[in-house]
Amino acid sequence: GEDVEQSLFLSVREGDSSVINCTYTDSSSTYLYWYKQEPGAGLQLLTYIFSNMDMKQDQRLTVLLNKKDKHLSLRIADTQTGDSAIYFCAEGYNQGGKLIFGQGTELSVKP
Amino acid sequence: DTEVTQTPKHLVMGMTNKKSLKCEQHMGHRAMYWYKQKAKKPPELMFVYSYEKLSINESVPSRFSPECPNSSLLNLHLHALQPEDSALYLCASSQDYTGELFFGEGSRLTVL
Repeated sequence: GEDVEQSLFLSVREGDSSVINCTYTDSSSTYLYWYKQEPGAGLQLLTYIFSNMDMKQDQRLTVLLNKKDKHLSLRIADTQTGDSAIYFCAEGYNQGGKLIFGQGTELSVKP
Repeated sequence: DTEVTQTPKHLVMGMTNKKSLKCEQHMGHRAMYWYKQKAKKPPELMFVYSYEKLSINESVPSRFSPECPNSSLLNLHLHALQPEDSALYLCASSQDYTGELFFGEGSRLTVL
């Protein structure tokens, strides 16, 4: 079945690295995504990774994918107060246009 | 233009009212979506339109009625809603079915 799980909360200090974790169950997913949602706003696509890749880096963001363990992580280097938001991982497929979202991890960055 | 624009941003309606939410994109995307999101919860898919045809309806009650007049516009018609329908309604679009969704800011609906 389809299930995506995340821890609900993460608190870090400004300047530290943040690592947000996600596990999924459906090995047929084709793409894995990270979305950011600030209070009162819509979802912003941060980055995505194809399921045949292990790692993707984009400026301060590093995505790691362990297909064997069905584990996805998002590392934010030099975390800033503006990074405080809810981060959703999601899995998608080649057909159907449907994303399965995790519960979201609320990241709190303390000065 | 890489935006998905939703109107209105806020809507308050009674249970007997009829209202509509609107969504517009000019990125040439051929798939458009409605999601419902409760506070601090993940978005839940409601409807998917592909090439202006309804392709997914996630067993949504008939008091929600989607409409896709053309490839750039998506509407959600609301009638006889319940207080539990109060939520943030998000519109999204994607180039095709690859799932790289671009979301609007949402319409926050309150049903009294």
